[in-house]
Amino acid sequence: NAGVMQNPRHLVRRRGQEARLRCSPMKGHSHVYWYRQLPEEGLKFMVYLQKENIIDESGMPKERFSAEFPKEGPSILRIQQVVRGDSAAYFCASSRAWATNTGELFFGEGSRLTVL
Amino acid sequence: AQKVTQAQTEISVVEKEDVTLDCVYETRDTTYYLFWYKQPPSGELVFLIRRNSFDEQNEISGRYSWNFQKSTSSFNFTITASQVVDSAVYFCALSGRGEYGNKLVFGAGTILRVKS
Repeated sequence: NAGVMQNPRHLVRRRGQEARLRCSPMKGHSHVYWYRQLPEEGLKFMVYLQKENIIDESGMPKERFSAEFPKEGPSILRIQQVVRGDSAAYFCASSRAWATNTGELFFGEGSRLTVL
Repeated sequence: AQKVTQAQTEISVVEKEDVTLDCVYETRDTTYYLFWYKQPPSGELVFLIRRNSFDEQNEISGRYSWNFQKSTSSFNFTITASQVVDSAVYFCALSGRGEYGNKLVFGAGTILRVKS
């Protein structure tokens, strides 16, 4: 069974460009979470999605950041007009619907964004 | 609000020493989950343990052991006879039974350096 797959693993962008990070949840999982880890810090919750729905985006910056989880295909975290402060590791996690509230989260290996 | 405090920013030990990583949490939920993750230099998140709030039994897994004490809101992690391969950042995390799924709150992490 494949785990949570994230790509790209490493992404380099210049200031002002767009970054798209993709996350394919584990098979059978319909809930996706995105977390951000700034250099030398812990992980911070960004957004929680179910298929075609954003359930909780309380951790998302108000501007330039968006997330989606379409009916088909991976979840995508999109960062427009990147700035140096966006440089971080972005982790995706997934869970089964019935595991909601039990803490059964499975993390991907992360996507590391570097903004030059 | 939920909060996780890992007061030890960095710990250095010599191989074969025992080391304890502290974790103190705050939550108003009566049902919650506590986690430890390891992040080696390669950057991925490795799940170590999940403990629910109703299970205060200590757990041992090989050289790893966990001490959960609700009375002091602590969930400490001990590595016995540490090895160089244990060098990593260790994160403690908390998940409540909130309305919106498995939103983990992470501590800032403790850097463990094991020297040979």
